Amino acid sequence: DQQVKQNSPSLSVQEGRISILNCDYTNSMFDYFLWYKKYPAEGPTFLISISSIKDKNEDGRFTVFLNKSAKHLSLHIVPSQPGDSAVYFCAAISNAGKSTFGDGTTLTVKP
Amino acid sequence: DAGITQSPRHKVTETGTPVTLRCHQTENHRYMYWYRQDPGHGLRLIHYSYGVKDTDKGEVSDGYSVSRSKTEDFLLTLESATSSQTSVYFCAISESNVGGDEQFFGPGTRLTVL
Repeated sequence: DQQVKQNSPSLSVQEGRISILNCDYTNSMFDYFLWYKKYPAEGPTFLISISSIKDKNEDGRFTVFLNKSAKHLSLHIVPSQPGDSAVYFCAAISNAGKSTFGDGTTLTVKP
Repeated sequence: DAGITQSPRHKVTETGTPVTLRCHQTENHRYMYWYRQDPGHGLRLIHYSYGVKDTDKGEVSDGYSVSRSKTEDFLLTLESATSSQTSVYFCAISESNVGGDEQFFGPGTRLTVL
């Protein structure tokens, strides 16, 4: 049973608009949630994180929202830029320190 | 960029042959991880290490073994490669595994088992 799900395999948005990427989880014991970004032929790179005791974390154009009651988090990118086109992975960290990744969402930002 | 290299970057091998992938770091991080990524799937943890000679299994460890004799090197071995092990393999490092510490990933090794 997949504990971390990204139900949208792909998302396409226009440059300058908002991109919203979603992630759902099943384990209420996850301590932290991280978003990673991956370009083709490269390893993932860390983007932003949020503790399970917070409901929002912001870093420049990137904001992550956490809704614990719904076991849902989302990544907002405003404004979206063509360079944001990549695969985005949501990862949940257990209190034992193990990471569980979602399957990823491919974001395409059109100029 | 965190100093992580993986070798080889690409490898084609035949079923039944042994394969070893190497991960090398220059950051002196305690934790090292091996993941595999398959099309349409996220990263799945194979094995990880929390210190020299200290390793543990991840969710997809069958058919794989690891060794860490030095802080900077983490080896992943496929004793007898199978076609189901065709994948892209990523090594990652982190200073700790708590507090939401991010992992830094290497560039990946694309392995094809014929």
